[in-house]
Order: sequence, then structure tokens, then C-alpha cells
Amino acid sequence: SQTIHQWPATLVQPVGSPLSLECTVEGTSNPNLYWYRQAAGRGLQLLFYSVGIGQISSEVPQNLSASRPQDRQFILSSKKLLLSDSGFYLCAWRDITKGNTIYFGEGSWLTVV
Amino acid sequence: GNSVTQMEGPVTLSEEAFLTINCTYTATGYPSLFWYVQYPGEGLQLLLKATKADDKGSNKGFEATYRKETTSFHLEKGSVQVSDSAVYFCALAYNQGGKLIFGQGTELSVKP
Repeated sequence: SQTIHQWPATLVQPVGSPLSLECTVEGTSNPNLYWYRQAAGRGLQLLFYSVGIGQISSEVPQNLSASRPQDRQFILSSKKLLLSDSGFYLCAWRDITKGNTIYFGEGSWLTVV
Repeated sequence: GNSVTQMEGPVTLSEEAFLTINCTYTATGYPSLFWYVQYPGEGLQLLLKATKADDKGSNKGFEATYRKETTSFHLEKGSVQVSDSAVYFCALAYNQGGKLIFGQGTELSVKP
């Protein structure tokens, strides 16, 4: 069966520090991968999605970047965090050969102080 | 463009009450429709889905019917429990292309 993991689960970082959130998917190949952010009290905002290794689409201009160095690995990064980067970050995947359901990871809480 | 609109929350109900959370969408073609649930402090879980018009998705006592004529996918449950307290998201996606478009979420609070 397929599983998705992201880490760390909780992170407190000072303003101006770097960020790296990692997500891996197991039990599937060539998935579509996504990063969403959920700010406090708000809905979900799609940040990046990837349809293959090295292929990244950015949905909104921002202080973050994403990379996909391997087929089932998706990384969210920042060189210098801002207070406004605080939120709940969710990685997700989709196997386009098996329908269009998207499955989410457990999420990572980021607090920038 | 494509979009999803949900009813404003929070929704507060007593245990065993009937639940309806409205969801309407704007889209071209024939997207699939989803309801996701987010329990406090957790990620999103797929609750149910429908892939074509008149399909009914159901799970854990929840159900929603894909109504193309009214572009709606309202979530219903006949008797809610305290454990159903969560945020519910309506969403749409196409078979091709990568995006899942979410509504703004509706918080449900069920009181004993």
C-alpha cells in the first residue's frame, strides 16, 4: 500500500533562518506531488506541485522554493524565513494512473519567531 | 476560473442532529468532487468522493451527491456525533492536470 511521510512534524525557527521540510511517498512511482500551506484560521493554499523529477510549478510568488531530487521525494525550502511563513504545511500525492484522488501527509507545523 | 465555495462556519450542532454543509463549484467540463476532513492538529483525510454526475459518495455515515444541474456537492449526515467535530473541505480536481482546488473549509462543532 502507499504511504506518505513528512517531517519534521513541528518546527520553531527564528526569522531569517533557513527551512527544509521533507516529504517522501512509498509504494507508488511517478506520483504527482504537492505542497499546501494552511495559515491559522484559513483554507488551503497550493504552493507548489510537481509532475516529475526536477519539474516544479509554483502557484504563488513567495519566499519559499521546492525541489524534487528523486521520484518520490519532495522538499520545501527557504533561505530566510519570514514571520508570515508560519503555518501548517501539508505534502500530498496523487497517482494519476489510478484516478485523481489526492492523499495528504500528516502535516508540519512551522512557527517563525 | 475553477473555484469551490462552501458555507461559512463555524457550524454548531447538538449530538444526533442532522448535518448539511453546502458546497457549490464553478468549473468547466467534468471534474471529480471530494470532501476531506481535518481533525484538530492533523492532516487532511479523504472522506468521500464522486467522479461523475449523479454519483453518490458515502463513508462513515456521511454522503454527498454530485449534482451537475445545480453544480453542488452538499455534505450530509443524519445523526452527528461529538467525534465528528472537525473542519470539512470540499474540493474538485480534473483527471488531467495536477491541481486540487479547495473551498475555504467549514468548521463543525458537535456538542454533547
